[in-house]
Amino acid sequence: DIQLTQSPSFLSASVGDRVTITCRASQGISSYLAWYQQKPGKAPNLLIYYASSLLSGVPSRFSGSGSGTEFTLTISSLQPEDFATYYCQQLNSYPVAFGQGTKVEFK
Amino acid sequence: EVQLVESGGGLVQPGGSLRLSCAASGFIFNSYWMSWVRQAPGKGLEWVANIKHDGTEKYYVDSVKGRFTFSRDNAKNLLYLQMTSLRAEDTAVYYCARSGFRAFDQWGQGTLVTVSS
Repeated sequence: DIQLTQSPSFLSASVGDRVTITCRASQGISSYLAWYQQKPGKAPNLLIYYASSLLSGVPSRFSGSGSGTEFTLTISSLQPEDFATYYCQQLNSYPVAFGQGTKVEFK
Repeated sequence: EVQLVESGGGLVQPGGSLRLSCAASGFIFNSYWMSWVRQAPGKGLEWVANIKHDGTEKYYVDSVKGRFTFSRDNAKNLLYLQMTSLRAEDTAVYYCARSGFRAFDQWGQGTLVTVSS
């Protein structure tokens, strides 16, 4: 089974900061990686699919990159509504797996 | 507007059974793979199962194999998750999700399943 490890698990940042979250896969997954944002008490929302494709309607400050085993989610200028938990997900093979999450908190 | 609405959650004793439903609308239901994902209280997301658009292929996480059954009724735009032999560790919010763009692009609001005596 493929494991995903996100780093960091917690991140303190301020409005306007550039934020980068890393997701490492235990084996190659090509570009079959997605990123989600989840706010407390709410369902996750898809941000990025195929590692770097931005879902329509998602602000352009979000971007994704990587392939194989290492991926990143970048928020170019953190906004108040971006304080949330972010998860990566691999869909290259079963079982589908999520990373453990990265909580972005207000500094 | 795409909508996914889960129902059927509740309190059940260990060893008991429960059937979750997910009503889909606003898209061509029988064209999409669908999924269940769960989230234990205060924990991360865990994929549970996938089902092909025509119901002919199903995949499960190892921890639910043999206990959970994922099915769909394309005539009624409904998904079902039949859960048996429930354990405390199955306690979670269960989300149904649409599999599009090789990712889960639409999610329901979730239904809480609590397994406790």
